[in-house]
Amino acid sequence: AQSVSQHNHHVILSEAASLELGCNYSYGGTVNLFWYVQYPGQHLQLLLKYFSGDPLVKGIKGFEAEFIKSKFSFNLRKPSVQWSDTAEYFCAGVPKTNDYKLSFGAGTTVTVRA
Amino acid sequence: NAGVTQTPKFQVLKTGQSMTLQCAQDMNHNSMYWYRQDPGMGLRLIYYSASEGTTDKGEVPNGYNVSRLNKREFSLRLESAAPSQTSVYFCASAGTGPNEQFFGPGTRLTVL
Repeated sequence: AQSVSQHNHHVILSEAASLELGCNYSYGGTVNLFWYVQYPGQHLQLLLKYFSGDPLVKGIKGFEAEFIKSKFSFNLRKPSVQWSDTAEYFCAGVPKTNDYKLSFGAGTTVTVRA
Repeated sequence: NAGVTQTPKFQVLKTGQSMTLQCAQDMNHNSMYWYRQDPGMGLRLIYYSASEGTTDKGEVPNGYNVSRLNKREFSLRLESAAPSQTSVYFCASAGTGPNEQFFGPGTRLTVL
């Protein structure tokens, strides 16, 4: 069963538009959450992570995500995208009880048009 | 400091052939992982090694074997390749405790 789901398969935006990518997880207990990015032809890189504390986390390149426990969500946001944000974005989660078995969402391809 | 390295970068096999994908990390990480990436399915965990000397099955282990050769190296073996194993394979490693995983550049494998 998919433990992490992403809402959008492909998002197309113009430069300077705002971006929000949805992510939901289905673990019952406490969880560690991540957003990774894969630029064309490159390997996965970490954008940001949430383990505990402030539910609003800031990552690299102006990205942020908000953990909402009541909604089992961890949505990714960026107020103003650039052409260089064109990439595939993956949400991932793992229960704190077994933090080896990371589950990934199916990914969202983001295309930013100049 | 190379991070996580994988060899080969590309490989084409015929059905039934065997091969081993190599992975090494130089970050002194305890845990290592093998994933496969298929379109529309994200990354799926094949096997992982929580520490040197241990290995465990992930979500999709059938058709694969692994060896944690030492703390640095974690290999993935396909004994008898099948077309369903055509995929991009990523190795990753992570330090102790709650931590991000660091990924290698991937191996693109095609099985004809």
